[in-house]
Amino acid sequence: EIVLTQSPATLSLSPGERATLSCRASQSVSTYLAWYQQKPGQAPRLLIYDASNRATGIPARFSGSGSGTDFTLTISSLEPEDFAVYYCQQRTNWPPRVTFGQGTRLEIK
Amino acid sequence: QVQLQESGPGLVKPSETLALTCTVSGGSISSNYWSWIRQPPGKGLEWIGIIYYSGSTYYNPSLRSRVTTSVDTSKNQFSLKLRSVTAADTAMYYCARDGYGGDAGGFDPWGQGILVTVSS
Repeated sequence: EIVLTQSPATLSLSPGERATLSCRASQSVSTYLAWYQQKPGQAPRLLIYDASNRATGIPARFSGSGSGTDFTLTISSLEPEDFAVYYCQQRTNWPPRVTFGQGTRLEIK
Repeated sequence: QVQLQESGPGLVKPSETLALTCTVSGGSISSNYWSWIRQPPGKGLEWIGIIYYSGSTYYNPSLRSRVTTSVDTSKNQFSLKLRSVTAADTAMYYCARDGYGGDAGGFDPWGQGILVTVSS
């Protein structure tokens, strides 16, 4: 099973600052990596797929990069609504397998 | 736009079977593939399995022995059954459309989730 390790576990920043979240895979996943945002009481929301493609309706301040084993989600200038938990997720397509990282909590400093 | 809604009992007794249904609206279940994902209270996300509109299924190896999923194209629904549940199966259960963006895609949209508690 491919293990995803997210860091840091908690990130404390202020609105307007730049956020950099990391996700490392235990073996190469190519670009088969997605990022989600989850707010309390809500289902996760897809932000980024295929490592660097923004999903429909996602603001341009969210960007993803990386390939192989190291990936980054960057939020260029934090808005108040961006404080949430972020998960990365990888997939293998044959046989189909999906795993999630343990999450990074982005909190207001 | 496609929307998903989970339904089923919110309370299941230990050793019994958890059974949930996901109803798809705003699109055909036959044009995509679908997954179940769960989240224990205060914890992270766990993929349960995927079902294709053809009926082919693949499951998380850790749950494979207890899970069955099926699709009913006439009702635009797909379902989950998890047998022999314990308290460790208490979680929010989500259904989601899989493969947004293709083979390297993600899950979108998600249902709102249904909290299932395993307790006597």
